[in-house]
Amino acid sequence: QVHLQQSGPGLVEPSQTLSLTCAISGDSVSSNSAAWNWIRQSPSRGLEWLGRTYYRSKWYNDYAGSMRSRVTFNPDTSKNQFSLQLSSVTPEDTAVYYCARDLSARLDYWAQGTLVTVSS
Amino acid sequence: EVLLTQSPGTLSLSPGERATLSCRASQTINSNYLAWYQQKPGQAPRLLIYSASRRATGIPDRFSGSGSGTDFTLTISRLEPEDFAVYYCQQHSGGVSTFGPGTTVDIK
Repeated sequence: QVHLQQSGPGLVEPSQTLSLTCAISGDSVSSNSAAWNWIRQSPSRGLEWLGRTYYRSKWYNDYAGSMRSRVTFNPDTSKNQFSLQLSSVTPEDTAVYYCARDLSARLDYWAQGTLVTVSS
Repeated sequence: EVLLTQSPGTLSLSPGERATLSCRASQTINSNYLAWYQQKPGQAPRLLIYSASRRATGIPDRFSGSGSGTDFTLTISRLEPEDFAVYYCQQHSGGVSTFGPGTTVDIK
């Protein structure tokens, strides 16, 4: 059974960098069949896919076009986890953030979600 | 980027009735990469259907998916009380995933 556990601050100041980590149990971040996604949800934007990182003999990233310039994904094989960094945040980045596993693009395991508020 | 639209926005039905939810893509997509999710308040989305018509592990057979090309359908044959929720479709193509805006199934 795969379990994903998110951690990170719930409050970030405008213009700062939002950082969240997703710890994996029951699978490996360097799996050759899974990919590791970040999704967020807000009332105004609905469910919004941010991107994913995955390993296929080397590391790859896919990004939502609108997020490419601000998003960084960092897999950590020593801790079996992956992280999201979103730079230059504004109040519009306030949302519930989720990490999720995908197998052939179906998101089969999700973490519990973290509400991140951007405010001073 | 493929845009997904879902209709209706809200479906008001009674337990035992049949629910038919639509998801339309802005361009033809590979049905292997079309999925449906259920979300209840305060919870993460849950995978129901993948590859347009395959039920995920543990999903009751009253849930079924169909469609191809640009038009896809999620059907709940007989609504149970626990099925009242929001349903989203999701597609993946060209290395990018997108979600539809959701259909709320509420109790009439």
